[in-house]
Amino acid sequence: DADVTQTPRNRITKTGKRIMLECSQTKGHDRMYWYRQDPGLGLRLIYYSFDVKDINKGEISDGYSVSRQAQAKFSLSLESAIPNQTALYFCATSDFTGDGDNEQFFGPGTRLTVL
Amino acid sequence: QKEVEQNSGPLSVPEGAIASLNCTYSDRVSQSFFWYRQYSGKSPELIMSIYSNGDKEDGRFTAQLNKASQYVSLLIRDSQPSDSATYLCAVAEGSYIPTFGRGTSLIVHP
Repeated sequence: DADVTQTPRNRITKTGKRIMLECSQTKGHDRMYWYRQDPGLGLRLIYYSFDVKDINKGEISDGYSVSRQAQAKFSLSLESAIPNQTALYFCATSDFTGDGDNEQFFGPGTRLTVL
Repeated sequence: QKEVEQNSGPLSVPEGAIASLNCTYSDRVSQSFFWYRQYSGKSPELIMSIYSNGDKEDGRFTAQLNKASQYVSLLIRDSQPSDSATYLCAVAEGSYIPTFGRGTSLIVHP
């Protein structure tokens, strides 16, 4: 079974609709992240959470919100989807042991199309 | 602003050759360095991490780190067509979130 799962894997929606993307992990990691990836722009951080009570904005948080329901679950919401939010969305997790490592493990991604 | 620079490529190498992928970074206090492989439409997969100056080898992959010159590289020996992918470099300071480069596209042709 996959350690980091995302649902849905593909979604087509219309402008103005509210969309929720879900991420679950069985790795036992405290840290979770949401990224979007657009052709030529690389990975851009939307939100991140270092534990259940911690939520932080990334570089492109406008138009998005998140919820950390449990250590294993981190959801991303688009309150009112717009076409330029069409992208590939990845959830990632990491653990931090205090030795400076912060290896991230990615879910399979959600391809979102906003018409 | 922390920057991680990679040549977008594509880098084209023949099967069996050594592919050399390079990455430079701007933040001198960076301590953790990662290489991810990403196939088209798929998620990034961690293939190497390196934390100290020098070389680190894992199978056909060797990561090289030079903190004084602020670059990290990835060598892929005996390149195979299945190595064709985009390779992402990521750099982090301590426990901070890694900053990703935009990736280098590698094509290994038979």
